[in-house]
Amino acid sequence: DGGITQSPKYLFRKEGQNVTLSCEQNLNHDAMYWYRQDPGQGLRLIYYSQIVNDFQKGDIAEGYSVSREKKESFPLTVTSAQKNPTAFYLCASSRGRDQPQHFGDGTRLSIL
Amino acid sequence: KQEVTQIPAALSVPEGENLVLNCSFTDSAIYNLQWFRQDPGKGLTSLLLIQSSQREQTSGRLNASLDKSSGRSTLYIAASQPGDSATYLCAVSDTNAGKSTFGDGTTLTVKP
Repeated sequence: DGGITQSPKYLFRKEGQNVTLSCEQNLNHDAMYWYRQDPGQGLRLIYYSQIVNDFQKGDIAEGYSVSREKKESFPLTVTSAQKNPTAFYLCASSRGRDQPQHFGDGTRLSIL
Repeated sequence: KQEVTQIPAALSVPEGENLVLNCSFTDSAIYNLQWFRQDPGKGLTSLLLIQSSQREQTSGRLNASLDKSSGRSTLYIAASQPGDSATYLCAVSDTNAGKSTFGDGTTLTVKP
């Protein structure tokens, strides 16, 4: 079945540590997105990529980094510069900007 | 900067009732609007996508309308069922690279 896989489901970060969240899709979608969701709130865009080897900052990119070396993969690194990383992180993909976004099941990041 | 508002934040209805969820946005220069459903601790499921040139979209018991001039969209759910209980989010995509701005959602509870 085609879909988006996020791993791990739960992740814990120590002080000063960088952690990387995985997002893989087998839908052959060009566009991929990373969102952050805080309790009781909507999603905020961190980074997005329309094609391989290109990505753009979203509304809250500070303290995060991404790469898009393969069409299927869009990993997100939460760096130690992100002082409040505890949140639910969602990855999405779409065939293009006029197509629906499809979401993974998310990664919940907490601080140790 | 685009702002998306969903009112009410929570709604509780008896089974079988027809209901309307509201979404308003401040900048009418949108590319499309999408309605999603989110179950607790899960990712988002796309329900309906309305392009900026369209007025409405229908899928089963769901009907979404779009009025760009007034900056409003509604999601109509007919004959509600307990399985419809979830958080419903709307997202507005801008005219550039498909960046989406999300509302905070309406949490719907349908009581048997």
